[in-house]
Amino acid sequence: DAGVTQSPTHLIKTRGQQVTLRCSPKSGHDTVSWYQQALGQGPQFIFQYYEEEERQRGNFPDRFSGHQFPNYSSELNVNALLLGDSALYLCASSPVGGNTIYFGEGSWLTVV
Amino acid sequence: DQQVKQNSPSLSVQEGRISILNCDYTNSMFDYFLWYKKYPAEGPTFLISISSIKDKNEDGRFTVFLNKSAKHLSLHIVPSQPGDSAVYFCAASRGDYGGSQGNLIFGKGTKLSVKP
Repeated sequence: DAGVTQSPTHLIKTRGQQVTLRCSPKSGHDTVSWYQQALGQGPQFIFQYYEEEERQRGNFPDRFSGHQFPNYSSELNVNALLLGDSALYLCASSPVGGNTIYFGEGSWLTVV
Repeated sequence: DQQVKQNSPSLSVQEGRISILNCDYTNSMFDYFLWYKKYPAEGPTFLISISSIKDKNEDGRFTVFLNKSAKHLSLHIVPSQPGDSAVYFCAASRGDYGGSQGNLIFGKGTKLSVKP
């Protein structure tokens, strides 16, 4: 049973560019959330998708957008990258009615 | 304003002894609490959780205690093993969506070192 999978694992982008990160949830999970973890900090909630719609959103600007597909996989898009967007981006999934959220290994984004 | 606080950035414990990691929260609406363990270059791994209707939950060497009046929870690891060395995150949430989890609010983590 595959857990939460994310791609790519590492990437380097230039300031001002756009990036797309991808996530496949754990089998049987239909809710996907994205978190940003800066060095020395705990993960911070970006948004959550359920039934292909954004259900909750954290305190992140509109440059951060997402999408959920019919197979429950999800993408995180960040436009107009800033140096401060350099972080580990974590995808997490959970089943409807479930209380436990499982995380993927993350995508390391470096903006130069 | 941090809603979930882990005030000890690091903790060092001898192998075989008890590790106690602490977490405080400010939002009384939180009704579900989780602990995650994180190794470098990996995503957080779920460890144990507790609902606000309980005050204790145990799973093998790991026990989580919840004191709602004090808005405090703690994770006890007994006995501690060198493989437990990692960063431990406390997280809290509100179950707003038909019983499903809302977003998690994390503390900054405590780095546990278990020395042989």
